[in-house]
Amino acid sequence: DIQLTQSPSSLSASVGDRVTITCRASRSISNYVNWYQQKSGKAPNLLIYAASTLQSGVPSRFSGSASGTDFTLTISSLQPEDFGTYYCQQSYTTPTTFGQGTRLDMK
Amino acid sequence: QLQLQESGPGLVKPSETLSLTCTVSGGSMSNSAYSWVWIRQPPGKGLEWVGTIYYSGSTYYNPSLNSRLSMSIDRSKTQFSLSLSSVTAADTAVYFCARLSYSYSGGFSIDYFDMWGQGTMVTVSS
Repeated sequence: DIQLTQSPSSLSASVGDRVTITCRASRSISNYVNWYQQKSGKAPNLLIYAASTLQSGVPSRFSGSASGTDFTLTISSLQPEDFGTYYCQQSYTTPTTFGQGTRLDMK
Repeated sequence: QLQLQESGPGLVKPSETLSLTCTVSGGSMSNSAYSWVWIRQPPGKGLEWVGTIYYSGSTYYNPSLNSRLSMSIDRSKTQFSLSLSSVTAADTAVYFCARLSYSYSGGFSIDYFDMWGQGTMVTVSS
């Protein structure tokens, strides 16, 4: 199975901060990475697919990029509603797998 | 607006079978552009893909669950179901149903989970 390792596992930030979360794949997966946000007690919500394509309705402050086996989710200016846990997911091969999650909370 | 809703018992005894149903409302399940999945999340932990049922009715299960898992679909009722046998405490989790969508870009196809149910907590305990 392809392993996805997210860093950091948790971080604290303030409203207005620029935040970056990284997801590293255990081998090449092209651009087959998706990003989700999950708030406590809720289902995950798709933010980005194919490494950098913004899902319809998702604010433009979210962006994604890829470099080799490293994938990055960036929030350009953190808003209060952005706190929660973020997961990357690879759909390059079955079984699809998720990163362990990055918890983003308020500083 | 498409909505998914999980239903089923919240408590299952060890060694018994866990059965859940996902009802899709506000849309049809007859579009071949979509497939349907189950994903679970143990308390305080990350997400684990359980299995996928494709438009054709064919299925693909997580190899770690393959021997215990069965999925089915009833398009006339706009429902799909999961059955997990011989459960243990390790199967305790929130179970989500979701839609698997596909996008074609730059010559390749990628799939992703774009619609989710709210999730249902299933506890395995005697």
